[in-house]
Amino acid sequence: AQKVTQAQTEISVVEKEDVTLDCVYETRDTTYYLFWYKQPPSGELVFLIRRNSFDEQNEISGRYSWNFQKSTSSFNFTITASQVVDSAVYFCALSSTGANNLFFGTGTRLTVIP
Amino acid sequence: DSGVTQTPKHLITATGQRVTLRCSPRSGDLSVYWYQQSLDQGLQFLIQYYNGEERAKGNILERFSAQQFPDLHSELNLSSLELGDSALYFCASSPTLLAGVTDTQYFGPGTRLTVL
Repeated sequence: AQKVTQAQTEISVVEKEDVTLDCVYETRDTTYYLFWYKQPPSGELVFLIRRNSFDEQNEISGRYSWNFQKSTSSFNFTITASQVVDSAVYFCALSSTGANNLFFGTGTRLTVIP
Repeated sequence: DSGVTQTPKHLITATGQRVTLRCSPRSGDLSVYWYQQSLDQGLQFLIQYYNGEERAKGNILERFSAQQFPDLHSELNLSSLELGDSALYFCASSPTLLAGVTDTQYFGPGTRLTVL
């Protein structure tokens, strides 16, 4: 069974602080994909990153970075020097290879205070 | 802008009614997915179509059905609507269905359905 846990329901930070959003997943599959999506107040779901289970290298994209640790089944997302525009709900999602549909966590609402 | 379009943006209807939500995938994408986002259930996968054929089913109610047309647009039909069907319905698309690979799904802006 697939399961994604985002234990942090809501986080508030002051602008320019760094913040890490946690994601822990469960799967019996040996190959799978992990995703992060952002849902700003306007409501759309914006793709941020896709990572397959064979690639444990961390990734950095501007102020965003992701830490994938297979040993702890975690795929955490860090925003450096947060900005007000980062305020959104962030979802972590899991997909088994070949299954294609996404299992989403419950999301973390991030509020960046100016 | 993901390139996925959904209409209408908002829909208000009454219990017992039937509605149709429409989705046009990104140019070249063959797979279409439908998801429901509600306060109590979160984001849930409903159904997937690939090049006109149903490929996977999730937690889709029997009152709900979908199809994908030859031009690849998709429609989600919701009938005998109940108050609990009020939700944001997303369509997503992805390019292909390669064995051993899960493509990135790009989401449309969603249709917010309110059942009164």
